[in-house]
Amino acid sequence: AQSVTQLDSHVSVSEGTPVLLRCNYSSSYSPSLFWYVQHPNKGLQLLLKYTSAATLVKGINGFEAEFKKSETSFHLTKPSAHMSDAAEYFCVVSGRGTNAGKSTFGDGTTLTVKP
Amino acid sequence: DVKVTQSSRYLVKRTGEKVFLECVQDMDHENMFWYRQDPGLGLRLIYFSYDVKMKEKGDIPEGYSVSREKKERFSLILESASTNQTSMYLCASSLSVRGAIWGNQPQHFGDGTRLSIL
Repeated sequence: AQSVTQLDSHVSVSEGTPVLLRCNYSSSYSPSLFWYVQHPNKGLQLLLKYTSAATLVKGINGFEAEFKKSETSFHLTKPSAHMSDAAEYFCVVSGRGTNAGKSTFGDGTTLTVKP
Repeated sequence: DVKVTQSSRYLVKRTGEKVFLECVQDMDHENMFWYRQDPGLGLRLIYFSYDVKMKEKGDIPEGYSVSREKKERFSLILESASTNQTSMYLCASSLSVRGAIWGNQPQHFGDGTRLSIL
């Protein structure tokens, strides 16, 4: 079985301050992990992915995430928030074995960026 | 860039109608998916398809069916629409890499269809 938990449903930061969006996962196999962003009335856009290569993954728009197997975490960070980062963010685990081909989505974290 | 196009951004239908949602991708992806997205419930997988004419049930297939007659097109069908099927519907596609482990290819999403059933 696989699951993903986004630990915060809402995160609010000021523009120019760091962003941390937390994600824990559970998987019977070494997982593939993804972060997606969704702006209002749009589909999901891939930010970055982890597929068992480097544990620190760099994505688009200055985001990065670190895979920590011992903590079963894949937290998303950005050093300095921009107003355009305000959106909903989804952590996704994608499986193997009996979960092959299926992705499990977290419930999402809404990021608010204050001027 | 991969483009996934959903035929309608907004759709209003009446209960009992048969509703078709269309999705087309232009990157020759083998895998296609239909999700619904509801506040507080996140994204839930309705159906997916690994190849032409193949389909697999997702987590919430009841009340839905799908059709994949051509590789680039994946249709979601609401056989008899009900008000509890009012939702945002998202289509996605992904590449299937020979010899690679399932699941390590990202999905590419359309902009969604906001469906209201009155």
